Amino acid sequence: DVKVTQSSRYLVKRTGEKVFLECVQDMDHENMFWYRQDPGLGLRLIYFSYDVKMKEKGDIPEGYSVSREKKERFSLILESASTNQTSMYLCASSRPGSGEQYFGPGTRLTVT
Amino acid sequence: AQSVAQPEDQVNVAEGNPLTVKCTYSVSGNPYLFWYVQYPNRGLQFLLKYITGDNLVKGSYGFEAEFNKSQTSFHLKKPSALVSDSALYFCAVRDGGGRRALTFGSGTRLQVQP
Repeated sequence: DVKVTQSSRYLVKRTGEKVFLECVQDMDHENMFWYRQDPGLGLRLIYFSYDVKMKEKGDIPEGYSVSREKKERFSLILESASTNQTSMYLCASSRPGSGEQYFGPGTRLTVT
Repeated sequence: AQSVAQPEDQVNVAEGNPLTVKCTYSVSGNPYLFWYVQYPNRGLQFLLKYITGDNLVKGSYGFEAEFNKSQTSFHLKKPSALVSDSALYFCAVRDGGGRRALTFGSGTRLQVQP
C-alpha cells in the first residue's frame, strides 16, 4: 500500500521561529510537492521537486524554502514563521508524467 | 498558465438523487484533468483522471466525470448519492506538455442529506 507520511499532524510555533516540515514517501516517486490548503482558496503549490537536489518554485514560494537530499524525503522550511503562514500543509508525490498524486495526511501549523 | 474554476462552494443533494459537481479549466495545451476527494481530517484521495480517450471516465466509489473540450469542462457526477459521499471535492488540471505540477480549484463541499 502506497504511503506518504508527514512528521507531525499538529504543530504550534511562535512568530520568528524556524520551522521544519518533513515528508517521506515509500513509493520511489521522483516527483514531490508541498501545498498549503486554506478555506476558499483550495490547494496552492509552494514548491515541487522532480529529482534529488532539484526544486522549482510553485505559485506561492515567498517565505518558504525546501530541501531534497534523498529521493524519499522532501522538507519544507519556514525560515522565520509568521502568523499568515498558519495553515494546513500537504505533501504529495507522483511518478513522472503521471499527474496522479498521492497525498500525506497533512500538518496543521499554527503560528502565534 | 493553467487554471481551474469550481463555481460552487457547496452542493446539497438528497440521498439517492444524482449529483453533479462542476469544474471548468484553462490550459494552453492538452489537458490532464483530475478529481480528488478529502474526507474530514484526512489527506486528499485520488478519484479519477482524464488523459486521453473516452470522454466519460469512471473512477472510485461509483463516481464518473465527463470531459467536454468545447466547454472546457470536467464535471464530476454520480447517479445516486450516498450520505458517505459528503466531503470536499477538488478538481485539478495539468498542461500535458507543460508544467509538471497540478493546479487545483478552490474546492466544492458536497453535503448529502439523508
